[in-house]
Amino acid sequence: GAGVSQSPSNKVTEKGKDVELRCDPISGHTALYWYRQSLGQGLEFLIYFQGNSAPDKSGLPSDRFSAERTGGSVSTLTIQRTQQEDSAVYLCASSPSFEGYTFGSGTRLTVV
Amino acid sequence: RKEVEQDPGPFNVPEGATVAFNCTYSNSASQSFFWYRQDCRKEPKLLMSVYSSGNEDGRFTAQLNRASQYISLLIRDSKLSDSATYLCAVRKSGGSNYKLTFGKGTLLTVNP
Repeated sequence: GAGVSQSPSNKVTEKGKDVELRCDPISGHTALYWYRQSLGQGLEFLIYFQGNSAPDKSGLPSDRFSAERTGGSVSTLTIQRTQQEDSAVYLCASSPSFEGYTFGSGTRLTVV
Repeated sequence: RKEVEQDPGPFNVPEGATVAFNCTYSNSASQSFFWYRQDCRKEPKLLMSVYSSGNEDGRFTAQLNRASQYISLLIRDSKLSDSATYLCAVRKSGGSNYKLTFGKGTLLTVNP
């Protein structure tokens, strides 16, 4: 597609439920990143996929968070047993290599 | 010391003013530098890359000072539409890891 596509755009879930967030990167971009941004806070790195290399998971805040990237394209970020502190905007980005990222419009997650 | 630091502002300037933001980084091995713009409740968008020789794009000028480990963004003849949060981003050296670290952003409001 022309840009990075994320779905859903908004998600309200009950505490303790699992959620899946989807990212469809720009075609041909080898690198895919997940960040999250809490209200008034900066961008917090979560996980990074590069081609067929092992992902950089160093930013995942707990073992409730996981992500996969299938076929070098679409990625899914899963949060298990959601907590209220997980409420944030989850942003996906892709890049061809050393260039800057292109971000998707994000998924606004609210845990109630 | 944080990896990437920015003055959070807010900067309130009148239309037509010149305004400058700085961003400091802690890792001297950092290789690539970018400025992003983020409008309220939107995703960050790449404004410009920052090159060693400095670069200009219309009213925007970006500079890199490796000795003092900071990058700067200068906006001339500011417009109402320049009101946004400006994020700097830094990529460390290190093989094929293209991950960016972002500052928390500087809020700019241009007033009529």
